[in-house]
Amino acid sequence: KAGVTQTPRYLIKTRGQQVTLSCSPISGHRSVSWYQQTPGQGLQFLFEYFSETQRNKGNFPGRFSGRQFSNSRSEMNVSTLELGDSALYLCASSSKLSTDTQYFGPGTRLTVL
Amino acid sequence: KQEVTQIPAALSVPEGENLVLNCSFTDSAIYNLQWFRQDPGKGLTSLLLIQSSQREQTSGRLNASLDKSSGRSTLYIAASQPGDSATYLCAVKEGGSYIPTFGRGTSLIVHP
Repeated sequence: KAGVTQTPRYLIKTRGQQVTLSCSPISGHRSVSWYQQTPGQGLQFLFEYFSETQRNKGNFPGRFSGRQFSNSRSEMNVSTLELGDSALYLCASSSKLSTDTQYFGPGTRLTVL
Repeated sequence: KQEVTQIPAALSVPEGENLVLNCSFTDSAIYNLQWFRQDPGKGLTSLLLIQSSQREQTSGRLNASLDKSSGRSTLYIAASQPGDSATYLCAVKEGGSYIPTFGRGTSLIVHP
């Protein structure tokens, strides 16, 4: 099976812009989670989607949003980018909601200038 | 609020040594605990998943144990190899919310 894929792999934006990141889960997986990883805060949970519904949400401002499509692919959007949003954004998929082994993608490296 | 601590933060050992990495958590009402490895600039690779009802899991040279009552998990790596060099993270999923909390990781270097 193909693994979790994320596009784009690298992205450079300026403050105030918005960005959309994409994640394609492993075939058959219905749960997709998003994480932000920074040197200062480590790895932090953003949100989880299952069957197109947001099931869990971490402690991030409303500028961070996501959605999941009927084919389980997911997108994450960050509006009004700030310098502190520079991070590695990771997507993970699992076959069951919250309870199964998570498989991570390679991540999208976002740099905000 | 769940807090996950990993000790040590960094470790450098010669090839062939047996290692123990530690993970502690403050709230014992967990659903499961998962160990990952992360290579520089890359995503995470799942190593072992322990459900809250289990005491340990094994995969090859890796063995992870879980003691919920004391809020601790250990990852044992036998006969370490240079290819084991990576950052090892543990993640705890809370019962009920299923929101995962990650530790900051242990950076491991195994030198030949």
